[in-house]
Amino acid sequence: QKEVEQDPGPLSVPEGAIVSLNCTYSNSAFQYFMWYRQYSRKGPELLMYTYSSGNKEDGRFTAQVDKSSKYISLFIRDSQPSDSATYLCAMRGNFGNEKLTFGTGTRLTIIP
Amino acid sequence: KAGVTQTPRYLIKTRGQQVTLSCSPISGHRSVSWYQQTPGQGLQFLFEYFSETQRNKGNFPGRFSGRQFSNSRSEMNVSTLELGDSALYLCASSLGPTDTQYFGPGTRLTVL
Repeated sequence: QKEVEQDPGPLSVPEGAIVSLNCTYSNSAFQYFMWYRQYSRKGPELLMYTYSSGNKEDGRFTAQVDKSSKYISLFIRDSQPSDSATYLCAMRGNFGNEKLTFGTGTRLTIIP
Repeated sequence: KAGVTQTPRYLIKTRGQQVTLSCSPISGHRSVSWYQQTPGQGLQFLFEYFSETQRNKGNFPGRFSGRQFSNSRSEMNVSTLELGDSALYLCASSLGPTDTQYFGPGTRLTVL
């Protein structure tokens, strides 16, 4: 079983819809949680960065972390065709356990 | 500020050959991490270098090696290439081991 599980999709939603992307994990040492967006033929770019449990909002994006359930989510409001990409969750522990562990990514398509 | 650059962008090799990939981090960044990305396994951590020292290593065979130079530029080498080594190899740089990682565009390696 992988340390981080992510539904690979693909996920297709109409423009303007709310998108929910999720990851579960098994390593309780993970303290820092990230979401990366990767367009085709590009490297991943950081979207959201969260420490421990709680919510963080940045524009149309909201990241949620529930450490008790070992579950993280990314919500995209008012989705746009430009949001079509693969979304990767990533997480790591504290000093001495800093290597990033990624989910396999969810391919998202926003239909105009 | 220039981003992470990787060379070459595309590479075609045959089984048994060896290959060297190069990564130039963002100016001022001293930490470089390497990842292998494949459709089935997603992003998998190869190794991380900080100040010319390997700090972490993933679960890859000894055919995969790397190094970092005094100017923080890094190279990774794969010897005795196998078909399964075909992948996108991504380099990420950060100020230090616990800081946000910024990815390059990757090197697409195809082994025939």
